[in-house]
Amino acid sequence: DQQVKQNSPSLSVQEGRISILNCDYTNSMFDYFLWYKKYPAEGPTFLISISSIKDKNEDGRFTVFLNKSAKHLSLHIVPSQPGDSAVYFCAASQGGSEKLVFGKGTKLTVNP
Amino acid sequence: GAVVSQHPSRVICKSGTSVKIECRSLDFQATTMFWYRQFPKQSLMLMATSNEGSKATYEQGVEKDKFLINHASLTLSTLTVTSAHPEDSSFYICSAPQGPGNTIYFGEGSWLTVV
Repeated sequence: DQQVKQNSPSLSVQEGRISILNCDYTNSMFDYFLWYKKYPAEGPTFLISISSIKDKNEDGRFTVFLNKSAKHLSLHIVPSQPGDSAVYFCAASQGGSEKLVFGKGTKLTVNP
Repeated sequence: GAVVSQHPSRVICKSGTSVKIECRSLDFQATTMFWYRQFPKQSLMLMATSNEGSKATYEQGVEKDKFLINHASLTLSTLTVTSAHPEDSSFYICSAPQGPGNTIYFGEGSWLTVV
């Protein structure tokens, strides 16, 4: 039973345009969400997070939106750059726990 | 720079042997570290929580006698895969919380291939 779902295994966008990566979750107890970027054979790199008390968090080109009623969050990257090409993982935790539940990832390709 | 470091990055071992992977927190102390495993095209799956000064806690379905975890110090946790089998071949990653808000940082990961 997958509690965090990233239904799009891949996404391709043009440089300069917006990339929107989606994530859905089923566990209503999750109260903290994170996005990680990962290159092959490397550990994930933290990008941005959001607490369930917020609906938006922005950091430079990265913005995460949280819709609790829909149990959905999204990561927006704008403008997209070729260096953003990687696999992006959505992760969730609950109750202040540092144990993370991950989605399967979405491979983003930004074309020059 | 990296705040969590893993070693080795790649290791090949023969079936039936044991292999140890180290996870170190750099310039900070981590009373808790986490070990994950990732199979190709799959998500990272939490295996166990490494606790400094006490036993590790394992997720359901993870064999504690096969995946030995030792949190030797406040900056070091080790994962030993005992009696390795080819199906243990995977990407193993550790993480540790650090800094304000306990941002969770990951190591570089370790590729284990059992032949």
